[in-house]
Amino acid sequence: GENVEQHPSTLSVQEGDSAVIKCTYSDSASNYFPWYKQELGKGPQLIIDIRSNVGEKKDQRIAVTLNKTAKHFSLHITETQPEDSAVYFCAASLAFTGGGNKLTFGTGTQLKVEL
Amino acid sequence: EAQVTQNPRYLITVTGKKLTVTCSQNMNHEYMSWYRQDPGLGLRQIYYSMNVEVTDKGDVPEGYKVSRKEKRNFPLILESPSPNQTSLYFCASRFLGRTGSIGYTFGSGTRLTVV
Repeated sequence: GENVEQHPSTLSVQEGDSAVIKCTYSDSASNYFPWYKQELGKGPQLIIDIRSNVGEKKDQRIAVTLNKTAKHFSLHITETQPEDSAVYFCAASLAFTGGGNKLTFGTGTQLKVEL
Repeated sequence: EAQVTQNPRYLITVTGKKLTVTCSQNMNHEYMSWYRQDPGLGLRQIYYSMNVEVTDKGDVPEGYKVSRKEKRNFPLILESPSPNQTSLYFCASRFLGRTGSIGYTFGSGTRLTVV
């Protein structure tokens, strides 16, 4: 099955700096890669996703890049703000099949944005 | 408001006492799933359901049961809870759009402690 590794497990940055979180996946058939943000006491919320036919996607201060050959994808947050502090999870999935596709999650990154 | 509702939010129980965690979604999604979240392990899938009366095991199904008698509800049942089931549990539902859009909505979580 799919295995997703995520690094680093904790990341501390100064407000205004950039943050990068990296993930690798094992199943070359995976074609959908979402990123979730989990704030304290809440469930994960989707912040951005990318499909295997796209190499990069941006949404304001957030961007995701995908390297299918190397089987890794990354989350980039620019101009970080205190409200970006949270746990971030990457995930991989084989979407659009009739089978029981699921999200396989990474182990999470605790991002702390310091003033 | 589109949402996934889990109850209870917090639960402390004793070993062996059967319990049920309820999950309900109001988005008419066919696919629903249960995950458990443990430190350093990320979120791992317990069970999923592709539709009414269709359920299947995820990565960590031992000690759990589910049912899907109607589309909106997907309860998680622990027949004889043990301390290793102490965890944070999330229910999620998913849509697959005709144009290829995909999205998972997570509940707010149930923190279960088994003593």
